[in-house]
Amino acid sequence: DSGVTQTPKHLITATGQRVTLRCSPRSGDLSVYWYQQSLDQGLQFLIQYYNGEERAKGNILERFSAQQFPDLHSELNLSSLELGDSALYFCASSTLENRDRTGELFFGEGSRLTVL
Amino acid sequence: AQSVAQPEDQVNVAEGNPLTVKCTYSVSGNPYLFWYVQYPNRGLQFLLKYITGDNLVKGSYGFEAEFNKSQTSFHLKKPSALVSDSALYFCAVRDPLSGGSNYKLTFGKGTLLTVNP
Repeated sequence: DSGVTQTPKHLITATGQRVTLRCSPRSGDLSVYWYQQSLDQGLQFLIQYYNGEERAKGNILERFSAQQFPDLHSELNLSSLELGDSALYFCASSTLENRDRTGELFFGEGSRLTVL
Repeated sequence: AQSVAQPEDQVNVAEGNPLTVKCTYSVSGNPYLFWYVQYPNRGLQFLLKYITGDNLVKGSYGFEAEFNKSQTSFHLKKPSALVSDSALYFCAVRDPLSGGSNYKLTFGKGTLLTVNP
């Protein structure tokens, strides 16, 4: 158990809908990362938050947004869903401080999104 | 920009034989390198990392990896494979010189390891 909790584990919805994925990082971790895993694209970095602030953006669509709350949990919002958004969405956390880049990421079990 | 290549989509080995999962990387400076394993319907689990020092790094479950700067490689190895090692393996890199506060890991596409009994 990595200590990172993601909900829901599975989600089935229709095209055009909006969903919210939730992530609770490991106790004490300030950084949260979101990744999308699909068969054709592999693991794609979406976005990173550190202590409530956005720190880096990757291949995140404009229809997607995220935030990190004062209690450090994070939510990934996916809107106007398309069939191609079906994927496994992972949250990861770390204790990285501003200058320490040596730490590994700890991943949750993922949220599997199916868009029909 | 940092990138990782895993040239083999699949690796098959017999139980008890040594295994190697290949990884090459590209970064602007000295890399931080990681290996993760993913079992079916599970998240990624950290296996080992190379930051600096000894080129041979030992990790969880008997795995080790060798950093080779001249070949820009970080191959994952195990002397004797187990059926339970069958899983998807990901190599990842972080460029310590990347600008700003970007601490993301860039992952390879993964290699499916199958260990046959």
